[in-house]
Amino acid sequence: EAQVTQNPRYLITVTGKKLTVTCSQNMNHEYMSWYRQDPGLGLRQIYYSMNVEVTDKGDVPEGYKVSRKEKRNFPLILESPSPNQTSLYFCASSLSLGQASYEQYFGPGTRLTVT
Amino acid sequence: AQSVSQHNHHVILSEAASLELGCNYSYGGTVNLFWYVQYPGQHLQLLLKYFSGDPLVKGIKGFEAEFIKSKFSFNLRKPSVQWSDTAEYFCAVNAGEYGNKLVFGAGTILRVKS
Repeated sequence: EAQVTQNPRYLITVTGKKLTVTCSQNMNHEYMSWYRQDPGLGLRQIYYSMNVEVTDKGDVPEGYKVSRKEKRNFPLILESPSPNQTSLYFCASSLSLGQASYEQYFGPGTRLTVT
Repeated sequence: AQSVSQHNHHVILSEAASLELGCNYSYGGTVNLFWYVQYPGQHLQLLLKYFSGDPLVKGIKGFEAEFIKSKFSFNLRKPSVQWSDTAEYFCAVNAGEYGNKLVFGAGTILRVKS
């Protein structure tokens, strides 16, 4: 089954404790992206990757890191989480941009709470 | 600055009522437009998309949207809503001039009363 998986689905952590949220897709998609969803703000793009070893900042990259060493994986790293990073995080992937094939497939979400 | 505006944050309708959710964007060049839906407790799913051609786009579950270039709008419509349409709806825009980003509106929460 074609899908985007994220782990963990729920995470409660404390300020300053490094964490990684994994994202994996099995559709051989080139483009992957991370979003955070906050009430009243919709989804805001954190980072995206056009392909392996190619990453770029979205609209809210502060406090986050990403890497794309393999095509299927795109982990999101919070080196020193803070309470303002409490949010619902979505990973997404798509074949490409600017073409009719450009439909983002979203993972199930990771609800992160930083205390 | 890039922006996507959705006019209503909350909409409450009775079953069988008609729906129109507004979406406006602020990009001047070529745009790719999307509507996504998020049912309670689920992840986002694509409802419909516009890249070029016929400005009236039909999507899944009886939804359609009309691209009006002169108004920078991409409003979502459905002639008769059902209780199962209760969800949050997001408009999203990919503008070529801003590279590879996809910008979402703040979302509209639709509640359909049975």
